[in-house]
Amino acid sequence: ELKVEQNPLFLSMQEGKNYTIYCNYSTTSDRLYWYRQDPGKSLESLFVLLSNGAVKQEGRLMASLDTKARLSTLHITAAVHDLSATYFCAVDMWGERSGGGADGLTFGKGTHLIIQP
Amino acid sequence: GAGVSQSPRYKVTKRGQDVALRCDPISGHVSLYWYRQALGQGPEFLTYFNYEAQQDKSGLPNDRFSAERPEGSISTLTIQRTEQRDSAMYRCASGTNRFTYNEQFFGPGTRLTVL
Repeated sequence: ELKVEQNPLFLSMQEGKNYTIYCNYSTTSDRLYWYRQDPGKSLESLFVLLSNGAVKQEGRLMASLDTKARLSTLHITAAVHDLSATYFCAVDMWGERSGGGADGLTFGKGTHLIIQP
Repeated sequence: GAGVSQSPRYKVTKRGQDVALRCDPISGHVSLYWYRQALGQGPEFLTYFNYEAQQDKSGLPNDRFSAERPEGSISTLTIQRTEQRDSAMYRCASGTNRFTYNEQFFGPGTRLTVL
């Protein structure tokens, strides 16, 4: 059974600080996704990481993937209040469950991030 | 362009009743997924379709849950004889099913409450 673990699950930080969210997963996969969810809202796709060593950046967020370590990180640089949200990582079990084609994603429990002014 | 839409947005029902939740994917998206999200948790995979074919239903909790996508576009998730434990947010997502990656775009969800 694929397991996806995020840590920390809760994070309160001040504006201007840097921090990293970690996502570990239990099986071989080279497809990892990061989503953002605001309270009461749906999930918004942030990053798609498709290979070992992949790095994507958007504004103050940077995501990376190490498939050998089965680890992805989401780094926040100089945090601002608008980045307060819950962040989920998800792993794609491409074809392994159903025998071909796109599979559903297995999500972590999410990291609830609060950035205080 | 229009995103994934779901209806109803809220559904309150009594235990034992059947409910049908609808998902309208992004136009042209081949794949359609159903997830269930409990409060404070990540979405949990239920089932998915490529076109009209249900490719994987391993995540459906039991045989009270079923889904269809008869014309390869709109999908319906049906829960028969609802139970209180079925209360959750049900989310639909669609994707292009590209062979290189599987980015999924989520709808607003249907909040189901079973009394």
